[in-house]
Amino acid sequence: DIVMTQSPDSLAVSLGERATINCKSSQSILYNSNNKNHLSWYQQKPGQPPKLLIYWASTRESGVPDRFSGSGSGTDFTLTINSLQAEDVAVYYCQQYYSTPYTFGQGTKLEIK
Amino acid sequence: QVQLQQSGPGLVKPSQTLSLTCAISGDSVSRNSAAWNWIRQSPSRGLEWLGRTYYRSKWYNDYAVSVKSRITINPDTSKNQFSLQLNSVTPEDTAVYYCARHLWAGGNWFDPWGQGTLVTVSS
Repeated sequence: DIVMTQSPDSLAVSLGERATINCKSSQSILYNSNNKNHLSWYQQKPGQPPKLLIYWASTRESGVPDRFSGSGSGTDFTLTINSLQAEDVAVYYCQQYYSTPYTFGQGTKLEIK
Repeated sequence: QVQLQQSGPGLVKPSQTLSLTCAISGDSVSRNSAAWNWIRQSPSRGLEWLGRTYYRSKWYNDYAVSVKSRITINPDTSKNQFSLQLNSVTPEDTAVYYCARHLWAGGNWFDPWGQGTLVTVSS
């Protein structure tokens, strides 16, 4: 199984500042046949299911604010939230869909400082 | 807009069978470009993919090794829904269970998700 490890486990950032969340996979999730990284990011607020934010490591889902961006390749990935808003308080997860079993990171809890 | 609506009991006794259903609106369980998944979330195990069912000229299932001996995911084409059965449950199976779709045409990210069902295994 591919193990996904996020860092940090929790993060406190001031409103208007930048938040950076890292995700590392135990093996490369760059698929040679399409040259794409099989990684997605989700946002989960209390009492709600995860919400898709980003796929292919850097493609924003429709309707997701452009302050959310994803980057990285191979085994190391980053979710960046620019100009943090109060509504961004949530737990964020990365997920690999390179191979089954699909696996998730343990989550990063983002709070306001 | 695709929506997934979950139903099923929130309390199951140890050794019994957990059964949940996910009703699909705005899409078809028989669509050959989609797969229908069950995922659970608990404090101890985090988000855990359990398995999926999908149609590609015939029905297929894939299951996580951790639950493979106990799990069944079935489509119900007459009601446009799919179900999860998990046998011989223990307290470790206590979790919020989600259904979710992924599409084959793109990558296998999950969207949308059902609303979630908290299932507690307790006598």
